[in-house]
Amino acid sequence: SSDLTQDPAVSVALGQTVRITCQGDSLRTYSASWYRQKSGQAPLLVMYAGNHRPSGIPDRFSGSSSGNTASLTITGAQAEDEADYFCYSRDYSGDHLGVFGSGTTVTVL
Amino acid sequence: VQLLDSGGGLVQPGGSLRLSCAASGSSFNSYALSWVRQAPGKGLEWVSGLSGRDRSTYYADSVKGRFTISRHNSKNTLYLQMNSLRAEDTAIYYCANFNWDDAFDIWGQGTMVIVSS
Repeated sequence: SSDLTQDPAVSVALGQTVRITCQGDSLRTYSASWYRQKSGQAPLLVMYAGNHRPSGIPDRFSGSSSGNTASLTITGAQAEDEADYFCYSRDYSGDHLGVFGSGTTVTVL
Repeated sequence: VQLLDSGGGLVQPGGSLRLSCAASGSSFNSYALSWVRQAPGKGLEWVSGLSGRDRSTYYADSVKGRFTISRHNSKNTLYLQMNSLRAEDTAIYYCANFNWDDAFDIWGQGTMVIVSS
């Protein structure tokens, strides 16, 4: 199966921009989706098909992809954006539906 | 659509447990559903999935041969039968809807499974 690698933690000053990356070979073939998880809560979809936002997700969230790397960018980070973020992609091995990234903890300073 | 997970609890190593995920809304039999788990302090791990179209089933290597995913359409319920449980299966288990854009757009609230003697 494929692996998706994320930086364990990033920090951003309030109102500034932060980019979270996800690397893996499967991203050359499949789009990534992104999930925000606040402490004690279920994950929430914040980006799908690379750069599409579900309804209700603020437009400060954007997504992009290049080669084997997918990115989630928060432009003008707010205190409520402090959370764990996970990427997900299909697994090209065929036996598995897909795999989650290792997760990135975003701290808003 | 809403998903409500249940069935978690404390079980001894080697024991069994069946999780349920009740769905509200229509067209349940067309949903592609998965179970995703999260061990304490760890990340998300996809565990098992059931296609909405051809009823194909998929399993992570870590649970293959021990877990079985199934659905009861008339009850709008997804199940995960977990046998031969191990300490490393301890986690919060979430059911989630896998939509046509290859994303988990709806999640249950999760149910906790603890495997311990």
